[in-house]
Amino acid sequence: DGGITQSPKYLFRKEGQNVTLSCEQNLNHDAMYWYRQDPGQGLRLIYYSQIVNDFQKGDIAEGYSVSREKKESFPLTVTSAQKNPTAFYLCASSIGRASGETQYFGPGTRLLVL
Amino acid sequence: QKEVEQNSGPLSVPEGAIASLNCTYSDRVSQSFFWYRQYSGKSPELIMSIYSNGDKEDGRFTAQLNKASQYVSLLIRDSQPSDSATYLCAVRGGGNNRLAFGKGNQVVVIP
Repeated sequence: DGGITQSPKYLFRKEGQNVTLSCEQNLNHDAMYWYRQDPGQGLRLIYYSQIVNDFQKGDIAEGYSVSREKKESFPLTVTSAQKNPTAFYLCASSIGRASGETQYFGPGTRLLVL
Repeated sequence: QKEVEQNSGPLSVPEGAIASLNCTYSDRVSQSFFWYRQYSGKSPELIMSIYSNGDKEDGRFTAQLNKASQYVSLLIRDSQPSDSATYLCAVRGGGNNRLAFGKGNQVVVIP
């Protein structure tokens, strides 16, 4: 059963704490992405990776970090430097790096600040 | 000017009617265009992709692209209550694989 999984579904962060959101795909896709969605807003790109061991900043990378050690996995860390982390975080993947490739989304992680 | 703009405000349509959604984009060299449906609290799911000028039909959905006027639209025929959701327009510019998303249009189908 192929797809994109994200965990946890809900995550609570305390002040000053770093938290890591998991994203795994078994679609054999080369490219993976992290987006943030705030209420009533469109999706904003945080980071993306087109190949293992390589990633680029998106439009709102400050306060976030990523790694891409395996093709299947693209975890996102929300650091204490991100002052307004409450949002719906979406991971996506696409087959390759060509400009026409469709992105498919995981179920999302909702991050809340305690 | 925002990269991708969608009409503001929810769209209410009676069951069985046609829902029409519009999206304009600023990057003239954009090549790929997508419509996603997002139910409340869920992640976006792809409905349609379109790359060439004209119409593309898939079941009750029709996407229309006009690159000269820089707009892409989505028609939902025979609207059903299950079509009630937010519809996101996404555009990929020329030369990169980043998607720019609009804020979305909420559609409410009234039984």
